[in-house]
Amino acid sequence: NAGVTQTPKFQVLKTGQSMTLQCAQDMNHEYMSWYRQDPGMGLRLIHYSVGAGITDQGEVPNGYNVSRSTTEDFPLRLLSAAPSQTSVYFCASSYTGGSEYEQYFGPGTRLTVT
Amino acid sequence: GENVEQHPSTLSVQEGDSAVIKCTYSDSASNYFPWYKQELGKGPQLIIDIRSNVGEKKDQRIAVTLNKTAKHFSLHITETQPEDSAVYFCAANAGGTSYGKLTFGQGTILTVHP
Repeated sequence: NAGVTQTPKFQVLKTGQSMTLQCAQDMNHEYMSWYRQDPGMGLRLIHYSVGAGITDQGEVPNGYNVSRSTTEDFPLRLLSAAPSQTSVYFCASSYTGGSEYEQYFGPGTRLTVT
Repeated sequence: GENVEQHPSTLSVQEGDSAVIKCTYSDSASNYFPWYKQELGKGPQLIIDIRSNVGEKKDQRIAVTLNKTAKHFSLHITETQPEDSAVYFCAANAGGTSYGKLTFGQGTILTVHP
């Protein structure tokens, strides 16, 4: 299994540009989520999904959109990038039921908005 | 919502010493408390977790303790080694949800000096 994969690894955007961060997992996990990591603030939940067609907002959803058309993929869209969105973005996935709670994280995407 | 506070923000120890990182949480419904280790340039990786129905869990040199009454939990690393140097995050599942909607602490940078 490849686990959780993210592309691109690095990205530089100008203010106002849009882009999509890709996330895919091959573990058949129902739950997928996006976090952003900023110095001294830990990881903050942006959006999450408990299955295909179902998404919900996390702690910091403004400026981001998500969709979940398949179990495997959970892209994160920045509609109009702002310097405040400069961060490292992590995608994670896990099972939703039973006793398996572990979230598996991808390697991250480092985004800089100038 | 859930609020997780983590201390200290940095911790420096000599090889062979013990390290303790502490977290407090606010949501009494939380029932899952994982600890993640993040190495430079990588995504977080689960190292140990504890459910609310136990007070302590050990895995070799790592242990986690939970005090639900006081709403705090701690990570204990014994016989530290240089490869333990990393950023450590605690987390709690917001609202006690089973699918791992996690709120993270701010992180602790652990440095183990040879």
